[in-house]
Amino acid sequence: GENVEQHPSTLSVQEGDSAVIKCTYSDSASNYFPWYKQELGKGPQLIIDIRSNVGEKKDQRIAVTLNKTAKHFSLHITETQPEDSAVYFCAAGDGNNRLAFGKGNQVVVIP
Amino acid sequence: NAGVTQTPKFQVLKTGQSMTLQCAQDMNHEYMSWYRQDPGMGLRLIHYSVGAGITDQGEVPNGYNVSRSTTEDFPLRLLSAAPSQTSVYFCASSMHRGRGQPQHFGDGTRLSIL
Repeated sequence: GENVEQHPSTLSVQEGDSAVIKCTYSDSASNYFPWYKQELGKGPQLIIDIRSNVGEKKDQRIAVTLNKTAKHFSLHITETQPEDSAVYFCAAGDGNNRLAFGKGNQVVVIP
Repeated sequence: NAGVTQTPKFQVLKTGQSMTLQCAQDMNHEYMSWYRQDPGMGLRLIHYSVGAGITDQGEVPNGYNVSRSTTEDFPLRLLSAAPSQTSVYFCASSMHRGRGQPQHFGDGTRLSIL
């Protein structure tokens, strides 16, 4: 089955700096790559996603890039704010919408 | 909009007990799924359903049963609880099973098995 690796496990950034989280996947058939943000005591919330026919997607301060050849995709958060502190999960999905998740990344934004 | 609602939010069971985790969505979504979240393990798919009357196994189905009698509800049953099933359980739904359908998650049920 699909294996999704997520690095680094913890990331601390100064407020206003950028944060980058990288994920790799193993199954070349995966074609959907969402990113979820999880706050303490809450369920994961979709923040951005990208499909395999697109190389980059932006939504305000958040962007995702996909390299299908290398089988990796990254989340970029610019101008970080304290409310960006959370656990971020990447996932890879197949044609039946089954998602394989990475283990999560704790992002801490230092004021 | 309520979205995906999970009950209960917390539960403590003894080994061998059974219980049902409830999940309901009010978005008329066809696709529903159950995940468990363990420290350092991310989320792992337990079971999923592509519509009323249709269910299938995910990555870690052993010890769990599901059924889907209505579009709205997708309960998860633990037949004989074991300490290894201590986890946080999340239910999710999406419009249909097609590629790239965003999944909406509930806020989880925190389950402890003693």
